[in-house]
Amino acid sequence: KQEVTQIPAALSVPEGENLVLNCSFTDSAIYNLQWFRQDPGKGLTSLLLIQSSQREQTSGRLNASLDKSSGRSTLYIAASQPGDSATYLCAVLSGSARQLTFGSGTQLTVLP
Amino acid sequence: GAVVSQHPSRVICKSGTSVKIECRSLDFQATTMFWYRQFPKQSLMLMATSNEGSKATYEQGVEKDKFLINHASLTLSTLTVTSAHPEDSSFYICSAIGWAGGPGNEQFFGPGTRLTVL
Repeated sequence: KQEVTQIPAALSVPEGENLVLNCSFTDSAIYNLQWFRQDPGKGLTSLLLIQSSQREQTSGRLNASLDKSSGRSTLYIAASQPGDSATYLCAVLSGSARQLTFGSGTQLTVLP
Repeated sequence: GAVVSQHPSRVICKSGTSVKIECRSLDFQATTMFWYRQFPKQSLMLMATSNEGSKATYEQGVEKDKFLINHASLTLSTLTVTSAHPEDSSFYICSAIGWAGGPGNEQFFGPGTRLTVL
């Protein structure tokens, strides 16, 4: 059974800092890995999707990497802003049923 | 990107009543839809997978008689919480995968439905 772990559970940084969120998964036979953002009481916003054959994806200040063999992904946020404050979820798509397994999230607070 | 809607966005009901939540893919045909539940400060847990025209597949521990799922068309899936109780209060989110292509397809998520059972 796929398990996804995110570290740290919470992170607080001053505005302008670069930061890294970590995600690890137990079964490396994945189809893709996705990073989401969730604001309090809201749904999910997809940030980046990395296919299993890819090593990284970039969108603006966000860069996500994938090392499938070691079961790890990182989300790098450059020059953080207070508007980046949210919970960031990592999810992997795996299994014959194409199920997404989510991590427990990292709650990010960027202080002005 | 593809758009998935949910209705209602928020519902409050009395204990013992049934509540229906709709999930629609607005600009694509969804062969498979997923229903997730999220308790406060926890991550999303998959409840069930539904394919158009067939019975839903429920995850272990999810009561299929309590959470009725119908995927009647390629653009609509419904989740009915029957005889709701306060412990069913949660945030319910659906997602959908479109037709074409293999296992790398992206799931598109609805905005979620906040259910509060009094």
